[in-house]
Amino acid sequence: GAVVSQHPSRVICKSGTSVKIECRSLDFQATTMFWYRQFPKQSLMLMATSNEGSKATYEQGVEKDKFLINHASLTLSTLTVTSAHPEDSSFYICSARGLEREGRTDTQYFGPGTRLTVL
Amino acid sequence: GEDVEQSLFLSVREGDSSVINCTYTDSSSTYLYWYKQEPGAGLQLLTYIFSNMDMKQDQRLTVLLNKKDKHLSLRIADTQTGDSAIYFCAERGGSQGNLIFGKGTKLSVKP
Repeated sequence: GAVVSQHPSRVICKSGTSVKIECRSLDFQATTMFWYRQFPKQSLMLMATSNEGSKATYEQGVEKDKFLINHASLTLSTLTVTSAHPEDSSFYICSARGLEREGRTDTQYFGPGTRLTVL
Repeated sequence: GEDVEQSLFLSVREGDSSVINCTYTDSSSTYLYWYKQEPGAGLQLLTYIFSNMDMKQDQRLTVLLNKKDKHLSLRIADTQTGDSAIYFCAERGGSQGNLIFGKGTKLSVKP
């Protein structure tokens, strides 16, 4: 299957700082990338959808000025958590939608996630 | 709205079969997925099924789809301790073509 990487895998920062998380599709072009947030022992909640070259679409309740998304190329999307606070501590997972060669189905491939802890 | 439901826990003995069940609400979903998440890790795509299929088998994994009842199941044959993880059922149905996830079923495999 296709590979999606995220960087960093873990970050600890002080309250008020900004943190940037990168999501890359390594062996395919992803016109659409999704950003999810997962709280402990809970499911994934979609935060926003980004399409290359256009503004991200945010889900209801997600502050676009707080979570800045840039999808500059077909292989890279970034999520910046601005002025992070302890309540932003979570597991952030990106996924990239690419073409499944065998089934000719576009499938979402997930990155390994980024654990953010805000002190 | 769209909703995906799963039982939260399943415990089996090593070597037995595991069956994880899922129900969904969006009858227009074209694809349904099973993902596996190990502790502290991202999601690994296990398998998916088209909505016009009833069954798909891939090695130890068998997916059954009852479209009439909107019921999806994942059967793992000869379950191993390495299969212990959380399994998420997902339907593709969001306005952006995103996935809608269930809460996940935690599978525990006892030796």
